[in-house]
Amino acid sequence: GAVVSQHPSRVICKSGTSVKIECRSLDFQATTMFWYRQFPKQSLMLMATSNEGSKATYEQGVEKDKFLINHASLTLSTLTVTSAHPEDSSFYICSAARGTNQETQYFGPGTRLLVL
Amino acid sequence: AQSVTQLGSHVSVSEGALVLLRCNYSSSVPPYLFWYVQYPNQGLQLLLKYTTGATLVKGINGFEAEFKKSETSFHLTKPSAHMSDAAEYFCAVTLSGSARQLTFGSGTQLTVLP
Repeated sequence: GAVVSQHPSRVICKSGTSVKIECRSLDFQATTMFWYRQFPKQSLMLMATSNEGSKATYEQGVEKDKFLINHASLTLSTLTVTSAHPEDSSFYICSAARGTNQETQYFGPGTRLLVL
Repeated sequence: AQSVTQLGSHVSVSEGALVLLRCNYSSSVPPYLFWYVQYPNQGLQLLLKYTTGATLVKGINGFEAEFKKSETSFHLTKPSAHMSDAAEYFCAVTLSGSARQLTFGSGTQLTVLP
């Protein structure tokens, strides 16, 4: 149990376009999901916390108008990178919280975004 | 606030040798501690976790870790390394309570030599 999927696994887009990444918890319901960004050879950087039915909480320095997060159901959260630019190219990973106190995060396989 | 320090960004061991990856944390309240493994171009896979109870926790793939409150440590060990253990390992901490954020260490790249 505790499987999290992400789609797409890899996407290439032109500068100025928008890209949507989906994160799904396949075998459990997740009221809380998280979005991370990972640069090469580095640790994960938390971008935002996504709560089902309410607005996401963004970390300091993350533009909420650029990285739109929607958590419309207990199994799906989406991250939309709007007007993407080359500097947005990165590895994006989502996770879903599970456990008695929602203490354990299970991660998706990640999405590699390349903006040309 | 909490923080995690992983000593050694790169660790090399021979196949069959002991694996020891170090993790120290700081936390103002009882922590929940985690080890995750990441293979190239993949997400993170949970190896094991400590929340409450037994301080020695066993995880997948033969790994285990011991929570030592007096040393604020949660080191990851495996008695005998396998080539397939080569990966990036992340230690993470979160505070006990309701849903919260994970704070990750900087990661340790494990290389297993034949």
